[in-house]
Amino acid sequence: DAGITQSPRYKITETGRQVTLMCHQTWSHSYMFWYRQDLGHGLRLIYYSAAADITDKGEVPDGYVVSRSKTENFPLTLESATRSQTSVYFCASRETGPSGYTFGSGTRLTVV
Amino acid sequence: GENVGLHLPTLSVQEGDNSIINCAYSNSASDYFIWYKQESGKGPQFIIDIRSNMDKRQGQRVTVLLNKTVKHLSLQIAATQPGDSAVYFCAENIQLKLVFGAGTILRVKS
Repeated sequence: DAGITQSPRYKITETGRQVTLMCHQTWSHSYMFWYRQDLGHGLRLIYYSAAADITDKGEVPDGYVVSRSKTENFPLTLESATRSQTSVYFCASRETGPSGYTFGSGTRLTVV
Repeated sequence: GENVGLHLPTLSVQEGDNSIINCAYSNSASDYFIWYKQESGKGPQFIIDIRSNMDKRQGQRVTVLLNKTVKHLSLQIAATQPGDSAVYFCAENIQLKLVFGAGTILRVKS
């Protein structure tokens, strides 16, 4: 996982609270992605970014907000956490070509 | 680590045997396919990829086969080892984004 770091590793929050998951990459990759992983669903794309200040929705964006003020950071915010957002969240980055995807170690989020 | 594979199909193989993991994809416009390996508590790790204009690609101990006619992808692992135990995902590239399949658990019996 050298080069892409997610924090925190584990997080427990209460319903209705705002929580931000951090993602930092050191390669200056243009593209960054947020996925969530739930039992039986593989990884589903939440949001992605093609460059600083350019973001777009993925498959399951509702309830999430992202920003990309700097190339190396791509935080994911749950504005008002719900139990259905309990999941493992993975950040990924790549430069040119999809084979260059590198994933972080993930953040396990539990909403109680 | 998390048990993300609780409801996933499982393939159990004997150490030393060959493994074949299958995947069906949905989008005819997909131009690129990737296989990932995910071990417990870790993020997906790239194994091998294949472009849509190919039907076979080989790596070290792994081979990916692509059948565009039936939209089917397979991953063959030769001489499966205990360290190969993990969840395996196929992913298709659609408009610069990866879309993942649900995954298959591979269990290697010693």
